[in-house]
Amino acid sequence: DARVTQTPRDKVTEMGQEVTMRCQPILGHNTVFWYRQTMMQGLELLAYFRNRAPLDDSGMPKDRFSAEMPDATLATLKIQPSEPRDSAVYFCASGLPGQGLGELFFGEGSRLTVL
Amino acid sequence: GQNIDQPTEMTATEGAIVQINCTYQTSGFNGLFWYQQHAGEAPTFLSYNVLDGLEEKGRFSSFLSRSKGYSYLLLKELQMKDSASYLCAVKEAGNKLTFGGGTRVLVKP
Repeated sequence: DARVTQTPRDKVTEMGQEVTMRCQPILGHNTVFWYRQTMMQGLELLAYFRNRAPLDDSGMPKDRFSAEMPDATLATLKIQPSEPRDSAVYFCASGLPGQGLGELFFGEGSRLTVL
Repeated sequence: GQNIDQPTEMTATEGAIVQINCTYQTSGFNGLFWYQQHAGEAPTFLSYNVLDGLEEKGRFSSFLSRSKGYSYLLLKELQMKDSASYLCAVKEAGNKLTFGGGTRVLVKP
């Protein structure tokens, strides 16, 4: 049963701490997206990769956020230092253009609370 | 820039029909997706349109007019389990997928 796996599912931390979220895309998918969802802003695109190369990270606050793909089976999103306004659900999604309709498959999300 | 608009909330009665509209202005267009998201869960794929016209999939249909920058999702024979948020998303160049704010649909008995 192929699915996108995200860890942690829930994270509560204090302002100023470093937070790392991890994502394992579906095996064989070559595009990986990071989204942030809040009640006020909906689903915002933070960054996305194709074949592990970053294509667009314009939605990401560069001073504190970083996204990487160390290998094809792992994507990471790091926040350092974290702030209360970063509290949100962070979704990872993967896809393979040309396969099926090219739709994205989402992980269950990482709910981050920064106190 | 991108602009994808859909209503914030809609209420309908079980067994009825609801139409969720989405208008978009994006720098590129390679197709339009609709996703369903239940509270506390991940978005799941519902439908995809890349050519003008209607795509039907059981109780759900989606329509696209590229010249008008307009799509709608039609939910027929509403069931209580259809209470969820429905997200319109445009695929731009490079497979980039940008979402609208979502429409929360509440189905009442």
